[in-house]
Amino acid sequence: GAGVSQSPSNKVTEKGKDVELRCDPISGHTALYWYRQSLGQGLEFLIYFQGNSAPDKSGLPSDRFSAERTGGSVSTLTIQRTQQEDSAVYLCASSQGQGREQYFGPGTRLTVT
Amino acid sequence: AQSVTQPDIHITVSEGASLELRCNYSYGATPYLFWYVQSPGQGLQLLLKYFSGDTLVQGIKGFEAEFKRSQSSFNLRKPSVHWSDAAEYFCAVGASNQGGKLIFGQGTELSVKP
Repeated sequence: GAGVSQSPSNKVTEKGKDVELRCDPISGHTALYWYRQSLGQGLEFLIYFQGNSAPDKSGLPSDRFSAERTGGSVSTLTIQRTQQEDSAVYLCASSQGQGREQYFGPGTRLTVT
Repeated sequence: AQSVTQPDIHITVSEGASLELRCNYSYGATPYLFWYVQSPGQGLQLLLKYFSGDTLVQGIKGFEAEFKRSQSSFNLRKPSVHWSDAAEYFCAVGASNQGGKLIFGQGTELSVKP
């Protein structure tokens, strides 16, 4: 079956611009996660959605970062006023529920110039 | 604080040799554990998982891992490495009282010599 998909695969943006990254989870998966992978910080948790519960935003690094999940499926991660330190690969994952194994998408490589 | 340590940043093994990648964790609750593999430019692929029960778990591509609670370890092993196993390997830990988030180790890059 189809896995987790993310778009775009690459995004180059100028410092100060806003960007939106999209994630389509595996059909039927109720949980969706965003992580960030960068050379200096490794893999970091950003935010987690489970069903209709309030998202766990504890990993978002600043208030420039936000995410939403519409209709319990597709999610969008938005970064406002991008900074160079936001350059990283943003990975989305989904699972059948909390505490289940997570399946990852291919990621979006964000470069802020 | 919860943490995951992969002590080896880079390992080189000869093709056909055995492999062990180390993972140690520090967690207050009973953890569940994963190993993922990442090839260059790719996302993370799940190799194997441990939730409970038998402490020796089998995964894909001939990999296995053993959960040792007394040592807070979950080491990944393979009896005979293939050139296609060259990649970066990540250990990840979660817990039921931590919601869904996983904490990842820094990764171990595996190179395979012909």
